[in-house]
Amino acid sequence: NAGVTQTPKFRVLKTGQSMTLLCAQDMNHEYMYWYRQDPGMGLRLIHYSVGEGTTAKGEVPDGYNVSRLKKQNFLLGLESAAPSQTSVYFCASSYWPKSTYEQYFGPGTRLTVT
Amino acid sequence: QQQVKQSPQSLIVQKGGIPIINCAYENTAFDYFPWYQQFPGKGPALLIAIRPDVSEKKEGRFTISFNKSAKQFSLHIMDSQPGDSATYFCAAIYQGAQKLVFGQGTRLTINP
Repeated sequence: NAGVTQTPKFRVLKTGQSMTLLCAQDMNHEYMYWYRQDPGMGLRLIHYSVGEGTTAKGEVPDGYNVSRLKKQNFLLGLESAAPSQTSVYFCASSYWPKSTYEQYFGPGTRLTVT
Repeated sequence: QQQVKQSPQSLIVQKGGIPIINCAYENTAFDYFPWYQQFPGKGPALLIAIRPDVSEKKEGRFTISFNKSAKQFSLHIMDSQPGDSATYFCAAIYQGAQKLVFGQGTRLTINP
């Protein structure tokens, strides 16, 4: 069981470039989440999904898009990267409905936008 | 009303001391309060959780105290060790909710 994996681990982008972050989980979880973590700001929810083919906005969705074409994968896209998107990005998953409070996090992707 | 306020933002304690991290909430519909622990360079992981019908829960050296009337809960670490140095997040959720509400995090350092 690999749990939650994230690809890539590190990335440097120039302003205006695009990229996709991949999250994969092998626990058959229904719910998946994308967070960003910045110093002093805690974990802020970007987008989430409650099942294959569904997505919903979190607290900071602007500048990001997501897709959940397969239950095990949740993709986060940046169409035109900005320096304000420099952050550490975490993906998480949880089992619905009984254990939604227990989220399993990936190791993170450190993104720098110059 | 969906916020969970966590304090302090950072905390330094000597080995063997008892760091205390506090959280407060407004939404009385919250019915589960987990704590997450995050080591540098890693993702957060569930540490311990409590329901509001219990005033205290212990798991090893970690204890959650819960005050329902004050809408506050706190994490205590007994006999703290340098290996406990991490960022700690409190969170809250209510039944049927699709996402956790996280506090802002506390960066804890335990000095040897």
